Amino acid sequence: QVQLQESGPGLVKPSETLSLTCTVSGGSISGHYWSWIRQPPGKGLERIGYIYYSGYTNYNPSLQSRVTISVDTSKNQFSLKLSSVTAADTAVYYCARGLNWFVPWGQGTLVTVSS
Amino acid sequence: QSALTQPASVSGSPGQSITISCTGTSSDVGGYNYVSWYQQHPGKAPKLMIFDVSNRPSGVSNRFSGSKSGNTASLTISGLQAEDEADYYCSSYTSSSTLLVFGTGTKVTVL
Repeated sequence: QVQLQESGPGLVKPSETLSLTCTVSGGSISGHYWSWIRQPPGKGLERIGYIYYSGYTNYNPSLQSRVTISVDTSKNQFSLKLSSVTAADTAVYYCARGLNWFVPWGQGTLVTVSS
Repeated sequence: QSALTQPASVSGSPGQSITISCTGTSSDVGGYNYVSWYQQHPGKAPKLMIFDVSNRPSGVSNRFSGSKSGNTASLTISGLQAEDEADYYCSSYTSSSTLLVFGTGTKVTVL
């Protein structure tokens, strides 16, 4: 079965760029939509954006100016970059497969923005 | 785009049925059949329980069912069990620029 695993630094300094990678195993990244979703501590869910395996992307307008999502089909991975981070970007970041509903999800990785 | 409105908490005794509502607008819940529901236990990733309003993924108990009327979607859990205690989130496609909106979340407590 398909499994997703997020990886990347757990601590990022304010004003720097948050970078995460999601590795897909047990299946191909081709033919699917892939999303990044985040959840601030104790709060609800927010989709950051999504990418189609071909490279088409769509971003949440509230984050669009700071977000880049990319895909590497040769490595079965897709990635997230969020620039100029602040404490408000502290959250658990999830990668997931899907466009309008999501399954499966990665286990999530906590990224803290702090100096 | 505002989050979909869910009750903050719902509780019930083992064996009972409970229903969680998810209220949006005609631009999201009421306009499209792309409502989904997620269960999230503490410290865990969300798990898809219902997609496209009323469809259950393989492996999800038939005690979970979804429906929609107008701008409000609902998740019903029948035969409530201790393991159902978790946070539940709805989501919907939206015609706004965000394309997808989540609900505010509901904490289900099994008494």
